[in-house]
Amino acid sequence: AQKVTQAQTEISVVEKEDVTLDCVYETRDTTYYLFWYKQPPSGELVFLIRRNSFDEQNEISGRYSWNFQKSTSSFNFTITASQVVDSAVYFCALSEVNYGGATNKLIFGTGTLLAVQP
Amino acid sequence: DSGVTQTPKHLITATGQRVTLRCSPRSGDLSVYWYQQSLDQGLQFLIQYYNGEERAKGNILERFSAQQFPDLHSELNLSSLELGDSALYFCASSGQGNSPLHFGNGTRLTVT
Repeated sequence: AQKVTQAQTEISVVEKEDVTLDCVYETRDTTYYLFWYKQPPSGELVFLIRRNSFDEQNEISGRYSWNFQKSTSSFNFTITASQVVDSAVYFCALSEVNYGGATNKLIFGTGTLLAVQP
Repeated sequence: DSGVTQTPKHLITATGQRVTLRCSPRSGDLSVYWYQQSLDQGLQFLIQYYNGEERAKGNILERFSAQQFPDLHSELNLSSLELGDSALYFCASSGQGNSPLHFGNGTRLTVT
């Protein structure tokens, strides 16, 4: 069965600090997708990134970076120079690969609440 | 704006009642997913439809049902409501071929 674990329930940092959110996953599939979503206080779920299990290259987008390590089944998310607007709940998610037709459902972790203090 | 529209935004109702939540997917997306988010259960997958057909089923109670119409909008029907059904219900849609899911803003259901 697939499972996503986000062991950090809450993290509090001061603005401009770097912060890493951990994500560990379990799956029997050899190919799969990993995702990160952000849920700000307003409640909507915002897509941040999708990573294919074939591609272990790290990705950077502005202050955001993602470290995917298949050997440890981890897909960690780092925010550099955090800002108050980064305060949100962040979810890691996993899905099977579908070789045709519909995209498969996402299995979410329990989320990490990040509070960035001014 | 994700392009996924959910109505209503808020719903307050009493135990035993029935409600219908509505979702319009992004233009061109054939898949619709329903998720329930509660404090104790987190984000739980309920059900997925693809082009009008049920595609996958998760932890959806028998009191809940859903459907996707020919115009691809979807409805989630919740009946015999209990206090524990109070939650944020999200709809998401996606395109083909392992596309990311894009979520609506959710419907907050409060059962009193």
